[in-house]
Amino acid sequence: NAGVTQTPKFRVLKTGQSMTLLCAQDMNHEYMYWYRQDPGMGLRLIHYSVGEGTTAKGEVPDGYNVSRLKKQNFLLGLESAAPSQTSVYFCASSKTLAGGPWAYNEQFFGPGTRLTVL
Amino acid sequence: GQQVMQIPQYQHVQEGEDFTTYCNSSTTLSNIQWYKQRPGGHPVFLIQLVKSGEVKKQKRLTFQFGEAKKNSSLHITATQTTDVGTYFCAGRGTTDSWGKLQFGAGTQVVVTP
Repeated sequence: NAGVTQTPKFRVLKTGQSMTLLCAQDMNHEYMYWYRQDPGMGLRLIHYSVGEGTTAKGEVPDGYNVSRLKKQNFLLGLESAAPSQTSVYFCASSKTLAGGPWAYNEQFFGPGTRLTVL
Repeated sequence: GQQVMQIPQYQHVQEGEDFTTYCNSSTTLSNIQWYKQRPGGHPVFLIQLVKSGEVKKQKRLTFQFGEAKKNSSLHITATQTTDVGTYFCAGRGTTDSWGKLQFGAGTQVVVTP
């Protein structure tokens, strides 16, 4: 199993350009997430999805859109890139389990996409 | 909203020494997870704590969840160069969707031989 994969690995954009980051998982996980990681700020949740066809906003959703048309894929779009969106983007996925807080819902992360916006 | 803070942000350790990193939440957590990210890598799950006062060990790593479920700690004994990386705690608030975690800013650990 490949686990969680992300494409592309690196990208340089000019301000105002658009792009889509693709995340794919082969673990049949229900939940998928997009995070951004900036120095000294840890991981901040952009958007997440609790199942095919559903998405929800996270902590820092402005400037991003997402789609989950297929269970295994979660796309992150930047419609008009800004230098403030320069970051490392991580996708993650986790299972759905019954049992509330006792549910063992570790997140599996992809290798990341390093995006620079000039 | 819920905030998860980690201290210290940076830890420089001599090989063989012990150290502890702390995680504090502004609200009560349902559970807390710890992740490790090696330089240039991605976060990898280490452990999840759920019960008040819970203590779990993984070899030289000891994880603790506070009695009030608002703080946690990771203690590493006899640090090795393989312990280099950034350690993140991530908590789920009691009112959050079960899959949604709030990550701390992380503790970056540097080990000198």
